[in-house]
Amino acid sequence: AQSVTQLDSQVPVFEEAPVELRCNYSSSVSVYLFWYVQYPNQGLQLLLKYLSGSTLVKGINGFEAEFNKSQTSFHLRKPSVHISDTAEYFCAVSGTNAGKSTFGDGTTLTVKP
Amino acid sequence: DGGITQSPKYLFRKEGQNVTLSCEQNLNHDAMYWYRQDPGQGLRLIYYSQIVNDFQKGDIAEGYSVSREKKESFPLTVTSAQKNPTAFYLCASSQGGQNTYEQYFGPGTRLTVT
Repeated sequence: AQSVTQLDSQVPVFEEAPVELRCNYSSSVSVYLFWYVQYPNQGLQLLLKYLSGSTLVKGINGFEAEFNKSQTSFHLRKPSVHISDTAEYFCAVSGTNAGKSTFGDGTTLTVKP
Repeated sequence: DGGITQSPKYLFRKEGQNVTLSCEQNLNHDAMYWYRQDPGQGLRLIYYSQIVNDFQKGDIAEGYSVSREKKESFPLTVTSAQKNPTAFYLCASSQGGQNTYEQYFGPGTRLTVT
């Protein structure tokens, strides 16, 4: 069994400021980790993924995330946010031997001018 | 363009009626999924299918049914037994098997039952 906890339900930030969205997971097996973004009334879109190798992964729109196995975390970061980054962000985990993903409850990022 | 289509985008039904939500993909993916999304609750898995003619219940299957007769199609029926069917429904697909990595999502169907 696996679970995902997104530690902040809402993150307000000013434009051009850095942001970190936090995600912790638990699993009894090796995992793949994902961050998705959802704009209002749309489906989810993959931002980035960790499958293996380098623990720092870069994604679209200037986002990056770091896999920390000892702390079971996969936090998402962006050094300078834009108004257009306002959206819901979901962290997800899947076991390397199973296709299902478990999603966190989401973090609403609001970028203010 | 490869992708997932869901139709319709908005759907209205009266209580007591069954309703079927469409999901089609042309990505040649083996696995398909249905999620329900309610405000502040993230995504909850309803049903998933890893291969044609086979599917498994997810975490909240009660009141829902699915079929997987074709690789491209995974329709979801919301039955009258579903106590609170008003929600945003998302369909997704992934490669499946040993290459089951990220999921690709459709645009969603917002169902309102009154």
